[in-house]
Amino acid sequence: DADVTQTPRNRITKTGKRIMLECSQTKGHDRMYWYRQDPGLGLRLIYYSFDVKDINKGEISDGYSVSRQAQAKFSLSLESAIPNQTALYFCATSAQGGNEQFFGPGTRLTVL
Amino acid sequence: AQSVAQPEDQVNVAEGNPLTVKCTYSVSGNPYLFWYVQYPNRGLQFLLKYITGDNLVKGSYGFEAEFNKSQTSFHLKKPSALVSDSALYFCAVSPRTDSWGKLQFGAGTQVVVTP
Repeated sequence: DADVTQTPRNRITKTGKRIMLECSQTKGHDRMYWYRQDPGLGLRLIYYSFDVKDINKGEISDGYSVSRQAQAKFSLSLESAIPNQTALYFCATSAQGGNEQFFGPGTRLTVL
Repeated sequence: AQSVAQPEDQVNVAEGNPLTVKCTYSVSGNPYLFWYVQYPNRGLQFLLKYITGDNLVKGSYGFEAEFNKSQTSFHLKKPSALVSDSALYFCAVSPRTDSWGKLQFGAGTQVVVTP
């Protein structure tokens, strides 16, 4: 079984709709991250979390919110989706600072 | 502001030839340095990292990377490329002072290995 899973894997939605992307991990890591990938821009950090009580904004948090329901679960929400949020979204985990991050398979989101 | 540069959008190499993917960074202090690879329709996979010590770091799938402090570079290398190495490669950095382990990524370099 995959250590970091993301659901859904693909989603097409319309402008103005609320969308939730979910991430679960079985690695027992404290740190979890959400990134978006756009061609030519690499990955940019949206939010990150140390534990259920700790949520931090990343480089591009506007238009997004997150929830850390448990150590193993970290959800990303788009309250009112817009077309420029069309991207590939990745969840990642790590054990501590300086360690490598482990990535989920990604969610391809299209906002029409 | 910190930044990571991968100057080549794409690198083309024939199978069996050496492969180099370039990365330079601008981050204060001595950051942790990473390389990741992304195969089509897959998430990122960790290849290797530099923390301290020997400037030549060996990683997965026969890849290695050379850290050069004076040039603030961390180039990825493979002595003999395979067609299966065709993928998107990302360099990433994390400041040592960042206990969260946040990564800043380069834009990525597409590697195409031809038979």
